[in-house]
Amino acid sequence: NAGVTQTPKFRVLKTGQSMTLLCAQDMNHEYMYWYRQDPGMGLRLIHYSVGEGTTAKGEVPDGYNVSRLKKQNFLLGLESAAPSQTSVYFCASSRGKGQPQHFGDGTRLSIL
Amino acid sequence: KQEVTQIPAALSVPEGENLVLNCSFTDSAIYNLQWFRQDPGKGLTSLLLIQSSQREQTSGRLNASLDKSSGRSTLYIAASQPGDSATYLCAVRYNTDKLIFGTGTRLQVFP
Repeated sequence: NAGVTQTPKFRVLKTGQSMTLLCAQDMNHEYMYWYRQDPGMGLRLIHYSVGEGTTAKGEVPDGYNVSRLKKQNFLLGLESAAPSQTSVYFCASSRGKGQPQHFGDGTRLSIL
Repeated sequence: KQEVTQIPAALSVPEGENLVLNCSFTDSAIYNLQWFRQDPGKGLTSLLLIQSSQREQTSGRLNASLDKSSGRSTLYIAASQPGDSATYLCAVRYNTDKLIFGTGTRLQVFP
């Protein structure tokens, strides 16, 4: 039972490059989330989705885009990477509102 | 602004001690509160979830309590073990789809 899987696990980018982080869950969860974790700041919500085809902004959405074309996948895109986006990115999913969130192991992203 | 604070930021204890981790939140109108464990380089593992109508939840050696009126939750770990060493995160959900996280307490239990 894989749970929530994030790819890639590590990535180094140059400023201005673009990339997509993939999150896949095999629990048939409706809700999916993207967070970033920075030292001393805790986890902050970037974007989230309450079902296939829906997305919504979180606390820190600027510079990121997301898509939820399939229920099991939630993609996070960086169109033009900036050093301020160096962080650890976590994806999570849940059955629905108020239900426990299940997390992936994270993607460590460095922007040079 | 809705904020979540965890004190202390770090804690080091000898094996076998009972210990308490604290979480406080500024807005008491919570929907539920969730405690997580995070191991170095890993994601978050859910430990306990307390609904706003509950006072506590227990799982094995872990007990989480909730006092909405004072804006506080505590995570009690009984008979701590080296394997309990990790960062413990508290997260609060209000009547939205979003969790607001504290910055965590880094726990080290030494033999």
